[in-house]
Amino acid sequence: QVQLVESGGGVVQPGGSLRLSCAASGFIFSNFGMHWVRQAPGKGLEWVAFIHNDGSNKHHADSVKGRFTISRDNSKNTLYLQMNSLRPEDTALYYCAKDRAATGLEYFQHWGQGTLVIVSS
Amino acid sequence: LPVLTQPPSASALLGASIKLTCTLSSEHSTYTIEWYRQRPGRSPQYIMKVKSDGSHTKGDGIPDRFMGSSSGADRYLTFSNLQSDDEAEYHCGESHTIDGQVGYVFGTGTKVTVL
Repeated sequence: QVQLVESGGGVVQPGGSLRLSCAASGFIFSNFGMHWVRQAPGKGLEWVAFIHNDGSNKHHADSVKGRFTISRDNSKNTLYLQMNSLRPEDTALYYCAKDRAATGLEYFQHWGQGTLVIVSS
Repeated sequence: LPVLTQPPSASALLGASIKLTCTLSSEHSTYTIEWYRQRPGRSPQYIMKVKSDGSHTKGDGIPDRFMGSSSGADRYLTFSNLQSDDEAEYHCGESHTIDGQVGYVFGTGTKVTVL
């Protein structure tokens, strides 16, 4: 079955950087678009970024554009989120999610368990 | 950007039915939305896609007691024979492309309580 396992979260000071990873298994990773979605404590869901199956196209939410970068390594079945210039409002549980499609953003068909990022001095 | 509005809470008796609403902003009233369920302390789970004509497509393993429908800018999720493990936050969301940029917007979520 589909498994998505996030890692790389932790506590970081404002202005710092982190790289999140998502190890995928149970499906042909290179056939599907992938996302990062986050949820601040006690808040709703916020889409962060999307990458096409082959990595050729990437889209980021305005709230993270220029600071975060989504990428993937299909040879390692792994999705990444490089987060720079972190702010306290980036504090959230970050989920990796698999899209139903390869290139069009359709919906989040499967979700990981999340990795927690805390931005605090 | 599209805006999705959800009431913050809803409740119903065990075994009863409940109907949740997700309202699209008027200029996006024909959009398709998706419903997700998030049980306490768990990851979200895809439930179904609901189109403007009321047709819906469920995710794997979603039981028949979950149904989708539409009316104008409103998209509904109705589930019958309410169970205790239906207590969860229910999120709606939709994808869009604006000026070539793809994005996804979620509603604020509805917390369902089973009485």
